[in-house]
Amino acid sequence: SQQGEEDPQALSIQEGENATMNCSYKTSINNLQWYRQNSGRGLVHLILIRSNEREKHSGRLRVTLDTSKKSSSLLITASRAADTASYFCATGPNDYKLSFGAGTTVTVRA
Amino acid sequence: DVKVTQSSRYLVKRTGEKVFLECVQDMDHENMFWYRQDPGLGLRLIYFSYDVKMKEKGDIPEGYSVSREKKERFSLILESASTNQTSMYLCASSFSGLAGGGSTDTQYFGPGTRLTVL
Repeated sequence: SQQGEEDPQALSIQEGENATMNCSYKTSINNLQWYRQNSGRGLVHLILIRSNEREKHSGRLRVTLDTSKKSSSLLITASRAADTASYFCATGPNDYKLSFGAGTTVTVRA
Repeated sequence: DVKVTQSSRYLVKRTGEKVFLECVQDMDHENMFWYRQDPGLGLRLIYFSYDVKMKEKGDIPEGYSVSREKKERFSLILESASTNQTSMYLCASSFSGLAGGGSTDTQYFGPGTRLTVL
């Protein structure tokens, strides 16, 4: 079953702007992960945030997690054309399976 | 770097054919997964395996079976392909399965196989 849901479904921004997307989930989680998928390719892991963490950074990525609201956000700062991709959040309860959302498609215009 | 490879990038088959999709990982991961990805539906788990010869059904196992005879290889089988199985199929692997104490961990994906059933 689909646990995470990303919002918005699609996002178009100018190069250099920030992109923010959100993820909501339904049940308790062990951690929440964000993945990127370039057109027609496999997914690439970006960042993992554990349930006892509130914020995490990796390069131009910033992820927040609010377990009381069952939501997370991914911020990409100073976007580049290469950031054009679909972004997925994935959550796992207490086992090793992940449940993926339908994704946010980000287009960065030059 | 972890490498997950899939046998074909594109595959065209006819209705009723038996289809084999192969996935190989080179990092000695216990867990392997098969997903299908359809527009607007995200990734849906078909089957996963947490050890050799072990498998569990995911969310949409109907019409599929799997085989894991060796740790590095996980095969997805469409016994009798149908047009509604036209999709992108993604294989993934991860460390830290049940054998390792059970914790959700990063999954590493192959490039995907785009299957068209005519």
